[in-house]
Order: sequence, then structure tokens, then C-alpha cells
Amino acid sequence: EVQLVESGGGLVRPGGSLRLSCAASGFTFSTHWMHWVRQAPGKGLVWVSRINSDGNTVVYADSVRGRFTISRDNAKNTLYLQMNSLRAEDTAVYYCAGEGTNDALNIWGLGTMVTVSS
Amino acid sequence: AIQLTQSPSSLSASVGDRVTITCRASQGIGSSLAWYQQKPGKAPNLLIYDASNLESGVPSRFSGSGSGTIFTLTVSSLQPEDFATYYCQHFHSFPLTFGGGTKLEIK
Repeated sequence: EVQLVESGGGLVRPGGSLRLSCAASGFTFSTHWMHWVRQAPGKGLVWVSRINSDGNTVVYADSVRGRFTISRDNAKNTLYLQMNSLRAEDTAVYYCAGEGTNDALNIWGLGTMVTVSS
Repeated sequence: AIQLTQSPSSLSASVGDRVTITCRASQGIGSSLAWYQQKPGKAPNLLIYDASNLESGVPSRFSGSGSGTIFTLTVSSLQPEDFATYYCQHFHSFPLTFGGGTKLEIK
């Protein structure tokens, strides 16, 4: 079964850090470009970041560039998102998603909730 | 950044109705557009890629069309399980963006 499972979310104070993980199974993780997408409570989807298959090329949304770092370990079939200098507006469910051969996100995790609050 | 504007933002319809959702891009994006369905508390699910291609396993009552700046998602005959929120997303250039969503509710 194709599956992505996020972990690492939780409650953190403003200015703090969290590292999200996304464990992949049931498909060839190493050949997929991977993304993080977030969704604030009651709001729409917002694209956060993308990493290519070998991890050499990364792209970020302006709102997180310089604070978040996307990475991957293909040997462990795992995607990461290191989040530093967190702000209240980063509060959201964070989804990892896989991009197939077509321009679309065809594999999604269940999401992990990140709450930034004092 | 390319902006995607969806309309309407909400829509009430009945089972069996035909509905169409529109997504307008702030500049031309060719056919680099996807559509997703999201139900409350769940992850999004891909419906359409490259503007008009049906993802495997998605019912044929869903269809997409358009190119350039105007795109549509049509559901030919609404089923109870189709009541959800729908999003468009472009893949033309970075940053990737999503439309604001269209909430489809039961009339």
C-alpha cells in the first residue's frame, strides 16, 4: 500500500524549532520529488517547499525561506522539514506529498499538526 | 507569484446536479493545473492533472478543461460523496500556488 506518514508535530513557543518527518512506503521514494503543503485551521492549502529526487535542488515559499529547511534520506525513505524561528502564523496541519510523473501531487500523508503559541 | 482565483467560493447543489467550478490564473500557465478534492479532516486527493487528465481511480463524472488562464472542473452528476472542498493548483513556476477553494454543499 502506498503510504506517507508524518510525525513530529506538536506545540512549540514562538521562536522555537520543530523537525517534521515523513516516512514513505509502498512506492519508490527515491524517484519522487517531494513537497510539504500546510493548511491553517479552517483555511486553504498553502504550498511550502519542494525537493527533487536526489535532494540537490530545493525550493521554498517566500513565507518560510530562510527559516525552514527541506531534506530527505532516500536510504531511510524519509522526508524532513526542519522548522526554525517559528511564528504563530506557521500554525497549521503540515502534509507531505509526492509528485508523480505528471505535474501533480498524487500521494499525500495524513498530516501532522503544528501549533505555535506561548 | 501566479495567483489562482476560484469561483464560486461556495456552492449549494443537489444530488444528480451538474456543477462547474472555475479557476482563473493571473498569467498564462499552459495546461499545468491540477484539481484536488478534500473532505473534512482528511488529506487532499488528486482528481485531475495537466488540466484535463483524470487520475487513475477517479470516477469519470469528474472532468477538467481549459488552458492558459481559465480552467474548469465539472462534476456531471453529483453523488453524495462528492460534497467536499475543491482546490486547483498550478505547476507552471515557483512558487506553486493553490486556489482559495470551493466548498460544495448539499442543498
